[in-house]
Formats: sequence, structure tokens, C-alpha cells
Amino acid sequence: SAVISQKPSRDICQRGTSLTIQCQVDSQVTMMFWYRQQPGQSLTLIATANQGSEATYESGFVIDKFPISRPNLTFSTLTVSNMSPEDSSIYLCSVRHDRIGTQYFGPGTRLTVL
Amino acid sequence: SQQGEEDPQALSIQEGENATMNCSYKTSINNLQWYRQNSGRGLVHLILIRSNEREKHSGRLRVTLDTSKKSSSLLITASRAADTASYFCATDGSGPDTDKLIFGTGTRLQVFP
Repeated sequence: SAVISQKPSRDICQRGTSLTIQCQVDSQVTMMFWYRQQPGQSLTLIATANQGSEATYESGFVIDKFPISRPNLTFSTLTVSNMSPEDSSIYLCSVRHDRIGTQYFGPGTRLTVL
Repeated sequence: SQQGEEDPQALSIQEGENATMNCSYKTSINNLQWYRQNSGRGLVHLILIRSNEREKHSGRLRVTLDTSKKSSSLLITASRAADTASYFCATDGSGPDTDKLIFGTGTRLQVFP
């Protein structure tokens, strides 16, 4: 399995500001993913972060709003830019166990935008 | 929407009873995974079942998969209050998107002591 940590675990932010969420994995992985879970909802994939190339965004998500960095095989960041109350969600990173296909998730970052 | 569906949306049972949750999906898959989420925290991986498997067990968990019906079920036997959580199924995408997970709508399980 993979051990994944995220920082911060939670934050309360003001409208119009930006927050960068960090994701650290205890082993090297090729693919990392960022998900959003809006209150009371299921998870939606924001983007796939690959080391050495630009992130691939899903429909409805754009790089200007959710810039992603992937500087190495154990670390990634997701920035939520120019936040509005609609961005209040739990943001989770996950990694794929390449050999088996299992995906493991971090503990999530609970974001509240006022 | 490609999102899978789970039923029931919510389930309340007494400790010691069994809980069954069902998941339906829309496209062909390689794997189906079940996760547990306690009170808005991170997801805990429970079990992965491959498309060529029909049943899998892990402790008090039993997962079945019927690819002809595009459905799966999660059975928790002898439930405990600590099993109270939301449960999600997730399938891998099709074609070039096999690394992406598509999540079901989730089942909220409440186990009363």
C-alpha cells in the first residue's frame, strides 16, 4: 500500500484568495490524481498529475483555476485560485498502485471559503 | 454522466445485522474497488475485484461482481457501530482512461449499538 499525507488538513479562506494543497507519498508513483468532493456528494476527478508533463484536466476544470505541480515522483500540489464559496469542498489526492491498479487516497483537505 | 449509482442511498441497521450495498456502473471495466469514508475524511480502500473475478472476501466483507449486469455488491456481516460510514464503489474508466476512477453516488450506513 501507499501512505499519503496532505497539508493542510483543513483551512478557512476568504473569497478571492488562493490556497495551495500539498500531497506527499511515501513511495515513487507514476500517476497522481486530484479529486474534489463537494458537501454531501461523491468524488469527482479534477486532474491527473504526471511527473515531467502538464496535468490533464477533466471536463469542467481548467488550469487557471486549479494549477497543479508535479516536481517529482513523490510530491504534487494543487492550488485553488481566486476562491469562491462554491469551492468549499474536500480535496483529495490519490495514487495508483501501478502493478495492481489499486488507488490509495490521502486524508483530504477540507476547505471552507467565506 | 458516467457516474455509477449505488443503492440504497442510506441504510440504518442494528449491530450484529448484515448490511448489503449495491453498485451499478455503465461501461466495461478492468477493476471495481470499494472504499469507506468516515465522516468526510479520507477514503480507506477496502477491496479490489477484477473483472474476471466473481466474488472476493476480506474479513467481514464480501464483494460480488456481475459483469453481465454491470453491478457489484458489498456485504458487511455482523456489523458493528464502527462500521458507520459512507461506502463508495469506484470503477476504472474505459479505453484510454483506465487509470481514472469513476465513483458511485455512495451509501451512508448507520449502525446502531
